[in-house]
Parts: sequence; structure tokens; C-alpha cells
Amino acid sequence: GESVGLHLPTLSVQEGDNSIINCAYSNSASDYFIWYKQESGKGPQFIIDIRSNMDKRQGQRVTVLLNKTVKHLSLQIAATQPGDSAVYFCAEWALIFGTGTRLQVFP
Amino acid sequence: DGGITQSPKYLFRKEGQNVTLSCEQNLNHDAMYWYRQDPGQGLRLIYYSQIVNDFQKGDIAEGYSVSREKKESFPLTVTSAQKNPTAFYLCASSPAWSRANYGYTFGSGTRLTVV
Repeated sequence: GESVGLHLPTLSVQEGDNSIINCAYSNSASDYFIWYKQESGKGPQFIIDIRSNMDKRQGQRVTVLLNKTVKHLSLQIAATQPGDSAVYFCAEWALIFGTGTRLQVFP
Repeated sequence: DGGITQSPKYLFRKEGQNVTLSCEQNLNHDAMYWYRQDPGQGLRLIYYSQIVNDFQKGDIAEGYSVSREKKESFPLTVTSAQKNPTAFYLCASSPAWSRANYGYTFGSGTRLTVV
């Protein structure tokens, strides 16, 4: 079946550095993607979304890049802070979720 | 404040007992969803409802049941037929059943432990 998955289970970065979390999808017809942040014991929170007619979308300290040619999207977090420590999920249409990447921020 | 509320936050039940998890939203959303999350795994869809009095099975519906008698409520019953019920359960809602799920909102989850 179709799937959305993440490349790395854990990403460790130093405070102040930029973080890049990657995600691959297999359904070439996917036209809408969402990134979520989930802190321990809490529900996922919407971070940013992107439609397939866009290559890039920026938010506050976050940027999502979409490469439809290789069916890959990434979440970039600028100047990573301790509060960014969480599990990050990508999702196609909010019904298909990747397993998540745990972001750990060290001082 | 508008939002989606799951209760209780923690729930303990004996094996073989049915248990119902509550999900209430005051966002006037048409669509509601139930997911299960196991440690180190992504969210898996159990049931979803596009509109009141309607619901559909997701990927892992066996051992679960739902109802949608009111727009704001979408309770999930974990039955004794569910072989491995211990998990973190998340409810979500969205304004409409569409591919552009703007305003897709999650509850804070219920951690169910069956002993």
C-alpha cells in the first residue's frame, strides 16, 4: 500500500544549529502534506503544511521543502531550541503518518 | 476556547473488560478520527467519521467500535476482542472530510493500560 515514512528515527543537534528532518512518500498522486510536532504524552500539533503546487513554504523558524521528482519532503528548523525537542511526523492528507523522527537538542 | 477534549488522560482496565474513551469537540467540525499510537511507531487510523451518524473503519478497526450520534462527540469503545489494547489513543477532528485538512486538530490523548 501507499506509505509515508521517515529516514532517521533520531536526530541530535546542538542548540542554535539548524535541524533538517526528512520524509519520503510513495504515492505520486499525493498533493498535500503536513508536518506535526508531538511532545511526550501529548497529541500532535500542526507545524506547517504544503501543497504539491509548491516547492517551498516558510513559517516562523520552519521551512518545508517538497521535491516531487524524488517524492521527498523535509522540515528545516532554524536556530534549534531546547523547546523544539519532540517527535516530528510527516503526513499525507492527515490520514497516513510516518513513524516519526525524534529530535534531541543539546545545550 | 475551542478545542478537542479527550478524557480521561490515563485509564486502567482489567483484561476482558470493555472500555470507552471519550472525545468531544466544540469546533463545529464535521469529521472526526481515532488513532492508536504504540511506542516508537506512527499513528494508525482506527475509525473515522465524515459526518454525524456515519463512520467508517480505518486500517486497524478490529476489536474497536465507535458511534457518532452527535456532531461534537465520537466515543471509542475498546472491546475485549482487541488483542493488544494497551496504547496511546488520539482523537482528532477537521472541518470537513477533504484532502485539504485545514484546521486538523488533535486531542491530548488517552493512555490506556490493560492489566
